[in-house]
Amino acid sequence: SQTIHQWPATLVQPVGSPLSLECTVEGTSNPNLYWYRQAAGRGLQLLFYSVGIGQISSEVPQNLSASRPQDRQFILSSKKLLLSDSGFYLCAWGGAGRGSNIQYFGAGTRLSVL
Amino acid sequence: SQQGEEDPQALSIQEGENATMNCSYKTSINNLQWYRQNSGRGLVHLILIRSNEREKHSGRLRVTLDTSKKSSSLLITASRAADTASYFCAPNSGNTGKLIFGQGTTLQVKP
Repeated sequence: SQTIHQWPATLVQPVGSPLSLECTVEGTSNPNLYWYRQAAGRGLQLLFYSVGIGQISSEVPQNLSASRPQDRQFILSSKKLLLSDSGFYLCAWGGAGRGSNIQYFGAGTRLSVL
Repeated sequence: SQQGEEDPQALSIQEGENATMNCSYKTSINNLQWYRQNSGRGLVHLILIRSNEREKHSGRLRVTLDTSKKSSSLLITASRAADTASYFCAPNSGNTGKLIFGQGTTLQVKP
């Protein structure tokens, strides 16, 4: 069966520090991968999605970047965090080619930038 | 894909009552999905209804789809305290794999 791992669960970082959040998927190959951010009490904002290694689409201009160095690894990064980067970050996998676009989410990382 | 808009934004009911939440969208779809999010957790896929289906059941969940009105509803029957969560719809109109989630409906079921 497929599983998705996302870490860390919580993170407190000072303004101006770098960020690296990692997401890995097991039990499937060539998944579509997604990074979302959720502000407190709000909906999800799609940040990045990837249909393959090295293929990243950015949905909104921001202080963040994403990379996909391996088929089942998706990394969210920042060189210098801003206060506005605080939020709940969710990684998900899915497959457009599988005909349904169902997405499967990780447990999330709560990031507090102070 | 397009964003769905859930209504109401918040819903509070007693255990045992039914909960109905609605989703509206703007353009034609291939399918529409409903997800649940418990507080502080990731989203969990609940049910998918295709554009050529009008109703679908899964346990205590019933989803309807009216493509002429571009709307869907999620009914949770005989609600339980464990159903307390936020519920999101995601209308899917393309093959990009992207889903755009709305603000969701926050459901509180009081014991």
